[in-house]
Amino acid sequence: AQSVSQHNHHVILSEAASLELGCNYSYGGTVNLFWYVQYPGQHLQLLLKYFSGDPLVKGIKGFEAEFIKSKFSFNLRKPSVQWSDTAEYFCAVNEPRDDKIIFGKGTRLHILP
Amino acid sequence: IAGITQAPTSQILAAGRRMTLRCTQDMRHNAMYWYRQDLGLGLRLIHYSNTAGTTGKGEVPDGYSVSRANTDDFPLTLASAVPSQTSVYFCASSESRAYPPFGYTFGSGTRLTVV
Repeated sequence: AQSVSQHNHHVILSEAASLELGCNYSYGGTVNLFWYVQYPGQHLQLLLKYFSGDPLVKGIKGFEAEFIKSKFSFNLRKPSVQWSDTAEYFCAVNEPRDDKIIFGKGTRLHILP
Repeated sequence: IAGITQAPTSQILAAGRRMTLRCTQDMRHNAMYWYRQDLGLGLRLIHYSNTAGTTGKGEVPDGYSVSRANTDDFPLTLASAVPSQTSVYFCASSESRAYPPFGYTFGSGTRLTVV
């Protein structure tokens, strides 16, 4: 069965610092990959997704993620974080033939002003 | 505004009581899902429905049931609530035949406390 691992449970950064959140998945075949963000008190929103083509995916709010097939990874990056990026971030994966998405346990990001 | 509506927003429920969480979408998505979110455990799939008239079990289905009588509605029922079902419940939907994949659209959640 698919599984998703997020290495960092809680990350604290200062504003303007660079961010990289790790994500690894277990399935070796073709996958769709997602990053979702949940701001405090809100529901999950799609940040970016990868399904094919260029492995470097750009999302909203300056976020990007790189799909490295050989490492089964899909790390999320942002060059310079803002206080408003404080949220919980979830990596997720699904197989194209299966609609169900499997989520990682999430990473809580706290940005110090 | 197109999206998913969940009700109630929050609820405190006595153990042993029956409760139905409502979920309605107006996007005509064929697939719908129920997740529970617990601190440190992320989102875990309870039940899903690929299309109206069909349902399936997810990762943590015990104590929950669902029905999918039509495309728009996907209620989640707790037959006899227990304190371990205290959680935030999210309903989601997707257009499973879409390519490229859109991912999920989520509702705003229902915060359920079982006492």
